[in-house]
Amino acid sequence: SAVISQKPSRDICQRGTSLTIQCQVDSQVTMMFWYRQQPGQSLTLIATANQGSEATYESGFVIDKFPISRPNLTFSTLTVSNMSPEDSSIYLCSVEERRPGVSPRNTQYFGPGTRLTVL
Amino acid sequence: GESVGLHLPTLSVQEGDNSIINCAYSNSASDYFIWYKQESGKGPQFIIDIRSNMDKRQGQRVTVLLNKTVKHLSLQIAATQPGDSAVYFCAETLSYNTDKLIFGTGTRLQVFP
Repeated sequence: SAVISQKPSRDICQRGTSLTIQCQVDSQVTMMFWYRQQPGQSLTLIATANQGSEATYESGFVIDKFPISRPNLTFSTLTVSNMSPEDSSIYLCSVEERRPGVSPRNTQYFGPGTRLTVL
Repeated sequence: GESVGLHLPTLSVQEGDNSIINCAYSNSASDYFIWYKQESGKGPQFIIDIRSNMDKRQGQRVTVLLNKTVKHLSLQIAATQPGDSAVYFCAETLSYNTDKLIFGTGTRLQVFP
């Protein structure tokens, strides 16, 4: 499967500031996704990021708060804007890959996550 | 310490025993299911998947069972090892043509020697 890296791995930020998280993949992928995992919770999809078009946001998430860039097929960024302590979470990117010879279905693979703490 | 899984249900098993982790899903239209393993400080790792036209699929030491009648999914781990300790999530997609995953609440597996 693709190798996915995220930067930073963790950060501690002050209320009101913004943080941009980077996601890098070692191969070209069409679909990239951004998830949030709040403390003790499961994963929630924030948005789908496709190259060459605007990201598609899920209910409860808006572009002004979580702007996303997807400049090419191997890279994406998620910005958490005007942060508050409620934004403290793990932010994960994932990519969709086809697994030839195993299933015709695309499957999502995840990066290591960025642990954000907002004071 | 890590905060992932602090409030999740926990399954404790002895090393060498078999583990069964359960997941209920709500949408009968879901047609593709995946189990992920998330170790402390890491992202979810793909374990095994199953399509709705199957009721069982086996991997290396893992088996996924799907009961569409009661909308239930289970992950069986044979001869559980300390390295299996993690949080396990099931995920479903609502349509074969969409890639939007809906994650379950997760179960923490603790393996004791």
